[in-house]
Amino acid sequence: SAVISQKPSRDICQRGTSLTIQCQVDSQVTMMFWYRQQPGQSLTLIATANQGSEATYESGFVIDKFPISRPNLTFSTLTVSNMSPEDSSIYLCSATTPTGGIGEQYFGPGTRLTVT
Amino acid sequence: GQQVMQIPQYQHVQEGEDFTTYCNSSTTLSNIQWYKQRPGGHPVFLIQLVKSGEVKKQKRLTFQFGEAKKNSSLHITATQTTDVGTYFCAGGSSASKIIFGSGTRLSIRP
Repeated sequence: SAVISQKPSRDICQRGTSLTIQCQVDSQVTMMFWYRQQPGQSLTLIATANQGSEATYESGFVIDKFPISRPNLTFSTLTVSNMSPEDSSIYLCSATTPTGGIGEQYFGPGTRLTVT
Repeated sequence: GQQVMQIPQYQHVQEGEDFTTYCNSSTTLSNIQWYKQRPGGHPVFLIQLVKSGEVKKQKRLTFQFGEAKKNSSLHITATQTTDVGTYFCAGGSSASKIIFGSGTRLSIRP
């Protein structure tokens, strides 16, 4: 298994600003992902964070809006840029372990973002 | 694109009653996973099914993967208040990601 921490846990930001969310895993993992979840809704995959290279983004998400870094195996950041109220959501990072496979993902506690 | 739907969207049961949620994919899956998310919490991995027709049990929870690998179900016997939360299935059709279902929110009357 893997224990994942995220910070900040929540933030209230003004429109037009940017916020960087950090995700730290306590052990080496293979894949890391960033999801968005509206309250009461399902999880939508934003991108796969690739170590040492550009993230792989899902349809509807672009690097200019959601730049992602993964400088090593256990750490990743997601930046929400030029925020608007529509970006208000919970942002979750997840990771897979070498033995668990793609389906067995461990999630961080999430970052609750409110944009005013 | 691939879609994973769950029914029902909500289920409210009396404690002690059984509960079932169904998951249907628009495409054939390589595997399926089930997650539980408590209110205010994050998703927690429960189980993965890989084989066609596979059935797995975890105490009061029974998970099934359909023969055609396009549907799955989670059945909880004799629900308890600790079962409250949203149950998500997640389907994998590639080696690089999984798609989460729409979720079923379970609430329980003590």
